[in-house]
Amino acid sequence: DTAVSQTPKYLVTQMGNDKSIKCEQNLGHDTMYWYKQDSKKFLKIMFSYNNKELIINETVPNRFSPKSPDKAHLNLHINSLELGDSAVYFCASSQPGLHYGYTFGSGTRLTVV
Amino acid sequence: SQKIEQNSEALNIQEGKTATLTCNYTNYSPAYLQWYRQDPGRGPVFLLLIRENEKEKRKERLKVTFDTTLKQSLFHITASQPADSATYLCALGNAGNMLTFGGGTRLMVKP
Repeated sequence: DTAVSQTPKYLVTQMGNDKSIKCEQNLGHDTMYWYKQDSKKFLKIMFSYNNKELIINETVPNRFSPKSPDKAHLNLHINSLELGDSAVYFCASSQPGLHYGYTFGSGTRLTVV
Repeated sequence: SQKIEQNSEALNIQEGKTATLTCNYTNYSPAYLQWYRQDPGRGPVFLLLIRENEKEKRKERLKVTFDTTLKQSLFHITASQPADSATYLCALGNAGNMLTFGGGTRLMVKP
């Protein structure tokens, strides 16, 4: 069983479109995250979310919004896609606290043309 | 601003040798530090966590040190194998905060 699964794995779309990336975890973790990995391989936090609190990285454009239907899912919705949004997006989950590593999904490669 | 630096150049070593990767940080007082492995086309995989009050942590062939005075962590892989070839990422965090990642160092172990 995949612990953190993302769909789709690849997404090619035109500028201006709206798209969503889905993420599900079956680990029973309380907190989920979205990270963006750019062409230089830097992983940058976008959002952290548990059932109580959404933390948004202030550098993330408001075209990006996380949506969580339940504790096991955190989807990423992107409006009005731009060329600069092209990257690999990773979903991750963890238990809260200082004792736990993150479990990452395998990533979604988004290409905006 | 917070900065986490890892050597962006690839580290090439011979099989059987010890690989040592460095993670330096500035303008940050992390409560803990983590190391991850990332293979091409895959998500990062958690390896080790070390807390600010710990000097060293070991797991099988892996060893991590954490020097909060030098603001540096060293990640060692002893008896390296070609299968250890990957990109290794360090990440820092504080209570209640999200992990901040370095840019990673690519390790190549040659047979």
